[in-house]
Amino acid sequence: AQKITQTQPGMFVQEKEAVTLDCTYDTSDQSYGLFWYKQPSSGEMIFLIYQGSYDEQNATEGRYSLNFQKARKSANLVISASQLGDSAMYFCAMRELISNTGNQFYFGTGTSLTVIP
Amino acid sequence: DSGVTQTPKHLITATGQRVTLRCSPRSGDLSVYWYQQSLDQGLQFLIQYYNGEERAKGNILERFSAQQFPDLHSELNLSSLELGDSALYFCASSVGARVGHNEQFFGPGTRLTVL
Repeated sequence: AQKITQTQPGMFVQEKEAVTLDCTYDTSDQSYGLFWYKQPSSGEMIFLIYQGSYDEQNATEGRYSLNFQKARKSANLVISASQLGDSAMYFCAMRELISNTGNQFYFGTGTSLTVIP
Repeated sequence: DSGVTQTPKHLITATGQRVTLRCSPRSGDLSVYWYQQSLDQGLQFLIQYYNGEERAKGNILERFSAQQFPDLHSELNLSSLELGDSALYFCASSVGARVGHNEQFFGPGTRLTVL
């Protein structure tokens, strides 16, 4: 089974509107972390937001919020007030601990977001 | 600018060759992670080092190896290169061995083209 599933290969959103990018994950660990990254056409990976498995509140970072539904194993990214500069590839990722000494990371296949003026 | 540096930015080589990719983590970060991003495999975690020790291994081929030096920079060695090794290779760093609330910081990547 895929560890991270992003079912939306491409999304379009009108400028200034909100958009939700879906992410579901699969793990049997109790302690894990969920991340969202943005990759513009220039190629760099930009950290957006983090949610720990024990965090009770949904994470927020400026216009980004993470809708964390633990029982459903989903970690959707919500971008409010979309801007043209938000057009990029978005990756959901999960961190699992390995033997208490390191981390194993899994990435989804990404969602390409296009913001329409 | 994340503070993570990677050299070279681009690398073009032939099948069967060996190359070395270099990464310098952010100042103060002890963990280095290597990732491969290719069109067919997506973004895959390869390996993690913390303060010179290997801490986690992902989908790293036996033809690939890595190490982290006392000054904390890391090198990823790719040998017997195949066409399918063409990819963007990212290095990332974090403060600790276990990434909790500390995010990983990614370098700009090295684009490897195998002809």
